[in-house]
Amino acid sequence: DIQMTQSPSSVSASVGDTVTITCRASQGLSSRLAWYQQKPGKAPKLLIYGASSLQSGVPSRFSGTGSWTDFTLTISSLQPEDFATYYCQQASSFPLTFGGGTKVEIK
Amino acid sequence: QLQLQESGPGLVKPSETLSLTCSVSGGSISSNSYYWGWIRQPPGKGLEWIGNIYYSGSTYNNPSLKSRVTISMDTSKNQYSLKVKSVTAADTALYYCATFRAAGGATIDYWGQGALVTVSS
Repeated sequence: DIQMTQSPSSVSASVGDTVTITCRASQGLSSRLAWYQQKPGKAPKLLIYGASSLQSGVPSRFSGTGSWTDFTLTISSLQPEDFATYYCQQASSFPLTFGGGTKVEIK
Repeated sequence: QLQLQESGPGLVKPSETLSLTCSVSGGSISSNSYYWGWIRQPPGKGLEWIGNIYYSGSTYNNPSLKSRVTISMDTSKNQYSLKVKSVTAADTALYYCATFRAAGGATIDYWGQGALVTVSS
C-alpha cells in the first residue's frame, strides 16, 4: 500500500495569509495526486487533481505543485471560507489512500 | 452533473451486516468513465477508501477490511450497494458513496452527502 504522510496536522493562520500543506508518498505517484477540502458536516470537495490542475470552479488562490513523492497545496491570501480540513489522496493505484488531514484554523 | 444519495439503516448490531445503497442520478452507472465506490470517515477522524466497482462488474476492495466487504451494482435501478459483514464498533462511521475517474488517476469527482452508520447493540 502507498502511505501518504501529510503535514502539518493543523495550522493557525489569519485572513490574508499564505498557507502551505505538504504531502509525501511512500512510492512514486507520477502526478496522480488530488487535494480535497472538507468543511464540518459536509462531504469533501475536489480542489486539485493531477497534482497541479485546478478543478473547475475552484478559486485560483488554490494551487498544487509537485510530482513523484512530494506534493504541496498552497492557499494564497486565505479567505474566511477557506478555514477547513484539507486531505491529499493518491490516485495512482489500489488501495487508494489519503493523508491524515490538515486542519486550517483561524488564528 | 452526477448526484449520489446514500440510503440504509443508521444502526446496526455488532456481528451483523451493514448494508447501504447509493442511488445515482444525472448519469448511468453503466458508464466506463467512472469507478463507483465507497469511502468512510469515523467520527472526528480521516478518510478511508473502502472499495470500488467498475461498469464491467470488476471490484477493488481495501485489504484492510479483509474479505468483509462486498460491492455490487444494479444497472436496472442505476444503483450500487455496499455490504460489510461481521461489523464491530470500529465500523461506526459516516459512509460516502462517490465516483472515481477511470482514467488519468482515480480522482474523486462526486460525493454523496454521507450516511452515518452506528454499530451498537
